[in-house]
Amino acid sequence: DAGVTQSPTHLIKTRGQQVTLRCSPKSGHDTVSWYQQALGQGPQFIFQYYEEEERQRGNFPDRFSGHQFPNYSSELNVNALLLGDSALYLCASTRTASSYNSPLHFGNGTRLTVT
Amino acid sequence: DAKTTQPNSMESNEEEPVHLPCNHSTISGTDYIHWYRQLPSQGPEYVIHGLTSNVNNRMASLAIAEDRKSSTLILHRATLRDAAVYYCILRDRDPLGNYGGSQGNLIFGKGTKLSVKP
Repeated sequence: DAGVTQSPTHLIKTRGQQVTLRCSPKSGHDTVSWYQQALGQGPQFIFQYYEEEERQRGNFPDRFSGHQFPNYSSELNVNALLLGDSALYLCASTRTASSYNSPLHFGNGTRLTVT
Repeated sequence: DAKTTQPNSMESNEEEPVHLPCNHSTISGTDYIHWYRQLPSQGPEYVIHGLTSNVNNRMASLAIAEDRKSSTLILHRATLRDAAVYYCILRDRDPLGNYGGSQGNLIFGKGTKLSVKP
């Protein structure tokens, strides 16, 4: 049973460019959340997708956008990259119907470096 | 969401018990206490959670103070593989047992970095 998978594992982009990160949730999960983790910090919530809609959003600018597909996989898009966007981007999934007793399952992240 | 306070770092010897403390003095009656850990170069993984009673699972035990203003994660026999950053997180649950609109939203602090010496 595959867990949460993310691609790519590493990415290097130039300031001003756009990037797309991908996530496949754990089998049986329908809700996907994205987190940004700067070096030495805890992960920070970006947004959550359920039923192909953004359900909740953290304190991130509109340059950060996402999408969820009918198969529950998700993409995170970041436009106009800044040096400060360099971080580990984590995807987490859960099953909404049993959310009260269902922990989040995290992928191992995509390491984004902006130069 | 209520905040938690944890020590920045702790050290332990291999095969000895480890007690990781967490203070959450502003916890509300519907907040569950969750623990996640993050091994080097990996995403966070769920460890354990509880509301009022002490909890045990195959990974750890969670001891919750009677007033719920603090809790302790207990690793009964630390191994080198337990070296990680441990996060104590409060999650609000509504009366129907759901996490409502915040079910995907965990508020992480900086956690406690646990080092395990052989």
